[in-house]
Amino acid sequence: QVQLQESGPGLVEPSQTLSLTCTVSGGSISSGTYYWSWIRQPAGKGLEWIGRVYTSGSTDYNPSLKSRVTISVDTSKNQFSLKLSSVTAADTAVYYCARAMFTANYFEYWGQGTLVTVSS
Amino acid sequence: DIQMTQSPSSLSASVGDRVTITCRASQGISNSLAWYQQKPGKAPKLLLYAASRLESGVPSRVSGSGSGTDYTLTISSLQPEDFATYYCQQYYSTPFTFGPGTKVDVK
Repeated sequence: QVQLQESGPGLVEPSQTLSLTCTVSGGSISSGTYYWSWIRQPAGKGLEWIGRVYTSGSTDYNPSLKSRVTISVDTSKNQFSLKLSSVTAADTAVYYCARAMFTANYFEYWGQGTLVTVSS
Repeated sequence: DIQMTQSPSSLSASVGDRVTITCRASQGISNSLAWYQQKPGKAPKLLLYAASRLESGVPSRVSGSGSGTDYTLTISSLQPEDFATYYCQQYYSTPFTFGPGTKVDVK
């Protein structure tokens, strides 16, 4: 059974860079069959897709965040990561990592989510 | 971007009720639509994909239909574990987008 687990600081200061890692267990991130995504959800609000990475390192980003987002993959550690720069209070949210099939981009597996608060 | 809307935004229902939630895309998405259930403090759970295909382990009282821009999620007989918020998601094109959610609570 595939499991995803987010990790990283729960508090980030405004204007700094938010950094999160998703560790995948129960399967190899290198299988080549999946895309690995980040999705966020502000408290009491809906879901926003941030972007995705493929095993090769190729990425797609939401244009609304593209100038501030970097998603990367580390196959040796079976992890992928999110960096979001120049954060503001509007970036406060629960951040989820998720897996989607390469051929159909619905999200079969999700991490439990991690709350990141942007505050000084 | 493809915009997703859902109706209603919330509904109150009783155990045993038939519940229908509608999702509309701003352009045709060729059945590239998924439905998720989310409970407080939990990650979303995939219920349906390709508009009508049931994810493994999801009870058969849940069904989906639709085509083009309009899709529906139906729960034929609401059970206590079905009180939650439901989201649709289009995966026809990036950026993938979600509907605003429909909260189903106890009448």
